Amino acid sequence: DAKTTQPPSMDCAEGRAANLPCNHSTISGNEYVYWYRQIHSQGPQYIIHGLKNNETNEMASLIITEDRKSSTLILPHATLRDTAVYYCIVRVAGNAGNMLTFGGGTRLMVKP
Amino acid sequence: GAGVSQSPSNKVTEKGKDVELRCDPISGHTALYWYRQSLGQGLEFLIYFQGNSAPDKSGLPSDRFSAERTGGSVSTLTIQRTQQEDSAVYLCASSLVSFGANVLTFGAGSRLTVL
Repeated sequence: DAKTTQPPSMDCAEGRAANLPCNHSTISGNEYVYWYRQIHSQGPQYIIHGLKNNETNEMASLIITEDRKSSTLILPHATLRDTAVYYCIVRVAGNAGNMLTFGGGTRLMVKP
Repeated sequence: GAGVSQSPSNKVTEKGKDVELRCDPISGHTALYWYRQSLGQGLEFLIYFQGNSAPDKSGLPSDRFSAERTGGSVSTLTIQRTQQEDSAVYLCASSLVSFGANVLTFGAGSRLTVL
């Protein structure tokens, strides 16, 4: 799996958009970008994934650059409950053996 | 079930004892994964199952660790002769492997404390 680079921590004001960057400059053409988050004392939670098009769901938006070397997860209106560690992962889909490798992630602190 | 269920949620044991951790995946999910997370650390991959078989056991930290899955459903992670360094949260995840996406759903974890 391609390596990803994320800032170790970020702060965001409650109600504002949280923009979490991820660099994956060695991504292959068949690798998807996945985002998970882990709230304290809970198991990781899937947020969103994409291949090359921007994606949006009820939780977040995923913006992938045209060259696919980086992406940004956007939480449009961050709440205190969004405080968590956010993991950006790239992997080939469709194969159970391509297990997720979690790096250090970004610790997002949403402040009142 | 609606989600991945793990038991026990908390386990305190004495050094040298054996422990069994159970994972009940989402019904119909063919792939099952075990990870562990030590305090303040990231997730460490241990083993995965495709059906009842485990093609890759290289992530198991020692031969004291073993896992099995029966009926393509429930999985048990067994740690023999536990050591203090085995203390961690053990997380299980399952997924429905399909082309185009392989989203893992995690359980809440089993917190193991070895005294």
